[in-house]
Amino acid sequence: AQTVTQSQPEMSVQEAETVTLSCTYDTSENNYYLFWYKQPPSRQMILVIRQEAYKQQNATENRFSVNFQKAAKSFSLKISDSQLGDTAMYFCAFMIDDKIIFGKGTRLHILP
Amino acid sequence: GAGVSQSPRYKVAKRGQDVALRCDPISGHVSLFWYQQALGQGPEFLTYFQNEAQLDKSGLPSDRFFAERPEGSVSTLKIQRTQQEDSAVYLCASSSIRASGGHGETQYFGPGTRLLVL
Repeated sequence: AQTVTQSQPEMSVQEAETVTLSCTYDTSENNYYLFWYKQPPSRQMILVIRQEAYKQQNATENRFSVNFQKAAKSFSLKISDSQLGDTAMYFCAFMIDDKIIFGKGTRLHILP
Repeated sequence: GAGVSQSPRYKVAKRGQDVALRCDPISGHVSLFWYQQALGQGPEFLTYFQNEAQLDKSGLPSDRFFAERPEGSVSTLKIQRTQQEDSAVYLCASSSIRASGGHGETQYFGPGTRLLVL
């Protein structure tokens, strides 16, 4: 079965701190894509960052970066210099054959 | 339009009623996806279209769920004889190129329709 596991249901950090959200996944496929999506309280799902599984270099997008460990099937998200606007649900997901499989999410609170 | 839009944003239905949820994808997007998000859970895939063709409906939970995209743009998700377990947020997403081929094209999500079945 193809699954995504996010072991941290909820996290809180102070503004300007760095936070890492964990994600592991299980698939027998070799070619796939990994994503982190953000879902603020307004519920519009927004893509934060994506990673192609065939690329060894970790993706970065401004304050957001990932630590992709293919052998361990781990895909964590690091948010640097966290901001109040980062408060949201964060979903780890992977895509195979264009079908996205999501984890259950981590609720992240950035505290002023 | 600027993004994916969905209507209505909220729908309350009595058990047994039929409902229809609409999705307007980003103009020109070929692929359209429907997901169901139960409270406190991540979205789960329901079905997807490439233009007007429904290529995968493996996630539809029962034959009460039906989706269509007759002209390859707007899509409607219909739920017949709604049950309380159908209460969820229904998300629509679209992407710009053909879904098949494993290109990992980014999917852009709409705001969702929150369905409450009483």
